[in-house]
Amino acid sequence: SQQGEEDPQALSIQEGENATMNCSYKTSINNLQWYRQNSGRGLVHLILIRSNEREKHSGRLRVTLDTSKKSSSLLITASRAADTASYFCASGRSKLTFGTGTRLQVTL
Amino acid sequence: KAGVTQTPRYLIKTRGQQVTLSCSPISGHRSVSWYQQTPGQGLQFLFEYFSETQRNKGNFPGRFSGRQFSNSRSEMNVSTLELGDSALYLCASSFKPPGTEEDTIYFGEGSWLTVV
Repeated sequence: SQQGEEDPQALSIQEGENATMNCSYKTSINNLQWYRQNSGRGLVHLILIRSNEREKHSGRLRVTLDTSKKSSSLLITASRAADTASYFCASGRSKLTFGTGTRLQVTL
Repeated sequence: KAGVTQTPRYLIKTRGQQVTLSCSPISGHRSVSWYQQTPGQGLQFLFEYFSETQRNKGNFPGRFSGRQFSNSRSEMNVSTLELGDSALYLCASSFKPPGTEEDTIYFGEGSWLTVV
């Protein structure tokens, strides 16, 4: 079963704009990982944020975590067409439980 | 360093047949886990191995099985295939033992299985 929901389910933006995706989860976590999946491909690890961290950056990515609300967000700044993909959050120490994913479309 | 390698990438099987999928983890990684991805159910955990022992199992029927070899390579097997087994099967590896906090989990490209 899915750990939680991601919002929105689909997002369409223009190149250069920022994209924000949200993830909610149901149970307490030790860390949260974000992944990207291009159509028909495997999952690419983007970032891991620990439960005691509130924000983490990696290049154009910014992830926030609010354990009191059991939610996390992924911000992609200055998006590019190559960012077009599905994005998933996942929780769990090794047995990952995934959100439903957000399909991001970045148009030129 | 090579990533997680899965073979075959694509395969078509007939109902009732069985299939074996293979996974080579990142060099040095000893934890290997498997996931099934379908449009309806999303990404679901199948099982996890560490040091040739199954450490966790998801909620799948006994037709789904796996094993891990001494070199950490893993295989999963699905017997008596059903149409609903059509999915992308993803293998993942990590360095630390199961249950260890803060361990990044890396995925392969997956094996696309179509059951006809």
